[in-house]
Amino acid sequence: DAGVIQSPRHEVTEMGQEVTLRCKPISGHNSLFWYRQTMMRGLELLIYFNNNVPIDDSGMPEDRFSAKMPNASFSTLKIQPSEPRDSAVYFCASSFWLGGPSDTQYFGPGTRLTVL
Amino acid sequence: AQTVTQSQPEMSVQEAETVTLSCTYDTSENNYYLFWYKQPPSRQMILVIRQEAYKQQNATENRFSVNFQKAAKSFSLKISDSQLGDTAMYFCAFMIRQGNNLFFGTGTRLTVIP
Repeated sequence: DAGVIQSPRHEVTEMGQEVTLRCKPISGHNSLFWYRQTMMRGLELLIYFNNNVPIDDSGMPEDRFSAKMPNASFSTLKIQPSEPRDSAVYFCASSFWLGGPSDTQYFGPGTRLTVL
Repeated sequence: AQTVTQSQPEMSVQEAETVTLSCTYDTSENNYYLFWYKQPPSRQMILVIRQEAYKQQNATENRFSVNFQKAAKSFSLKISDSQLGDTAMYFCAFMIRQGNNLFFGTGTRLTVIP
């Protein structure tokens, strides 16, 4: 089975540009997570969806960040406008969760974003 | 609030030897899960092992095993017969049983020396 798929794997852009990161979760999973990894802050949860509905976006740093999940097999994380401090590795993860006992999250390969 | 602490930023081990990575956590929850994830240079986050807090038996996965001490809130990872492919960052993570948020430690960089 294919794991979590993320695109692009690398993105280099200039400050002020819009950046869109994409994620396809594992088929059958109904929860999707966006994480950011930086040297300073480690791994932090930005937002997660359950059944395509955003449940907790308290980790989204500011209004420049937005995430959508239009269907069960696709999600985007958008940064507009991008800033150099947004440079990080962004991970998408998915799991199967029915609101009861949690299930293991499986991670995609990540997108390395560099904002010049 | 849940916190996860990994006090060893870096460790090294000789190939074929055994190494133990430490992790402690703080929570007021009674039902939760603990995980170890591995992040090799490829950056992929790979699940190594998972432990349910309500299970007394320590989880094992081939060469990987944990020492789970619930009262001490300790969750260490033992890697036996270390291999060069074990070189990676290792992250300890926590999740409450009825929740969906993973809380990560800061990681331990393990180097296996030939």
